[in-house]
Amino acid sequence: KNQVEQSPQSLIILEGKNCTLQCNYTVSPFSNLRWYKQDTGRGPVSLTIMTFSENTKSNGRYTATLDADTKQSSLHITASQLSDSASYICVVREQTGANNLFFGTGTRLTVIP
Amino acid sequence: NAGVTQTPKFQVLKTGQSMTLQCAQDMNHNSMYWYRQDPGMGLRLIYYSASEGTTDKGEVPNGYNVSRLNKREFSLRLESAAPSQTSVYFCASTKEVNSPLHFGNGTRLTVT
Repeated sequence: KNQVEQSPQSLIILEGKNCTLQCNYTVSPFSNLRWYKQDTGRGPVSLTIMTFSENTKSNGRYTATLDADTKQSSLHITASQLSDSASYICVVREQTGANNLFFGTGTRLTVIP
Repeated sequence: NAGVTQTPKFQVLKTGQSMTLQCAQDMNHNSMYWYRQDPGMGLRLIYYSASEGTTDKGEVPNGYNVSRLNKREFSLRLESAAPSQTSVYFCASTKEVNSPLHFGNGTRLTVT
């Protein structure tokens, strides 16, 4: 069964600290993996898309890694800011089918001063 | 450039009432989607439209209908609302299947 699991469910960190969010998936055959940021009361916004051949991809203070062999991805946030408080959703696309996207339930990050 | 616009932002319905959720995108995207988001669950696909003139069922289509009015607009209709349809509804669009989804800011629907 195709699944995407994220950990931890929630996380509280101090402003300025780093953190890493995890995503494990069983989706096969794999096409790409996406990370989205969802602020409270808003729609998700894309942070990055990674294909099979990409190990690391950065978007400002956000760095995503992908290990397609172990089917794991992580999102590392450097020097966190209060505005990083949001839910982070991992999404994996299956190769077959036009709309086979599998969504994780998200990690709720709270950055406190 | 507004992106994806959803209306209304909030709605309260009584069981059995009907309503239409509106969605429009100004990015000239071919594909449009309707998702629902419930606490503790990932986003679930209700219906999608790969291109103007086509619509297909997603994971949870029961109780919903859609219309792809033109390339810009994709509406979601609840014919007879049920409490189980209380949720946050997101419309999204994309240029092509390997591009990122662009989401609207959602419609929060409560059915009493």
